[in-house]
Amino acid sequence: AQSVTQLDSQVPVFEEAPVELRCNYSSSVSVYLFWYVQYPNQGLQLLLKYLSGSTLVKGINGFEAEFNKSQTSFHLRKPSVHISDTAEYFCAVNARNAGNMLTFGGGTRLMVKP
Amino acid sequence: DVKVTQSSRYLVKRTGEKVFLECVQDMDHENMFWYRQDPGLGLRLIYFSYDVKMKEKGDIPEGYSVSREKKERFSLILESASTNQTSMYLCASSRGGWNQPQHFGDGTRLSIL
Repeated sequence: AQSVTQLDSQVPVFEEAPVELRCNYSSSVSVYLFWYVQYPNQGLQLLLKYLSGSTLVKGINGFEAEFNKSQTSFHLRKPSVHISDTAEYFCAVNARNAGNMLTFGGGTRLMVKP
Repeated sequence: DVKVTQSSRYLVKRTGEKVFLECVQDMDHENMFWYRQDPGLGLRLIYFSYDVKMKEKGDIPEGYSVSREKKERFSLILESASTNQTSMYLCASSRGGWNQPQHFGDGTRLSIL
């Protein structure tokens, strides 16, 4: 079975500052990794995904994430955040023996302050 | 553009009622999913379906059932609603096969009084 831990439930940050949202996973088999974003009163949108190849993955809205197999992490970063990035962010893992089922972390609420 | 539509954004029902949540996707996706979302717990999978009339239990299927009579439609049924089923419910769909991203609807916020 796989599990996902998002270490911070809330991350406050000032506009134009850099941010890192942390995600660690556990799985006994190889995994695919995803970050989703949920804006208020909306469903989840895919930000980026890691399937294979380069460990640095670039997504929409200037976000990127780095897959670190030895540390079983997939942290999300953005060098300069905007007010519009205020949302909840979910890390998810799909283990290769789990069909197409995702396991989600508990979410991190990013609060960008002016 | 891809579209997953949930029939209601907000729903209020009473304890003991039978509740239907409907979800329709227009992408001809094989897989469809129902999740519930609670603060601090993220999304938890209730049921998913990989084909018409096929279903698999997720992590928290107790108190729920599902129906998939047509490829584009996936219904979640609360047979006898209880207050602990008050939550946000999210439907998603994806293509078949490995590593396919899931596309989500906007959610139904269900309150059971």
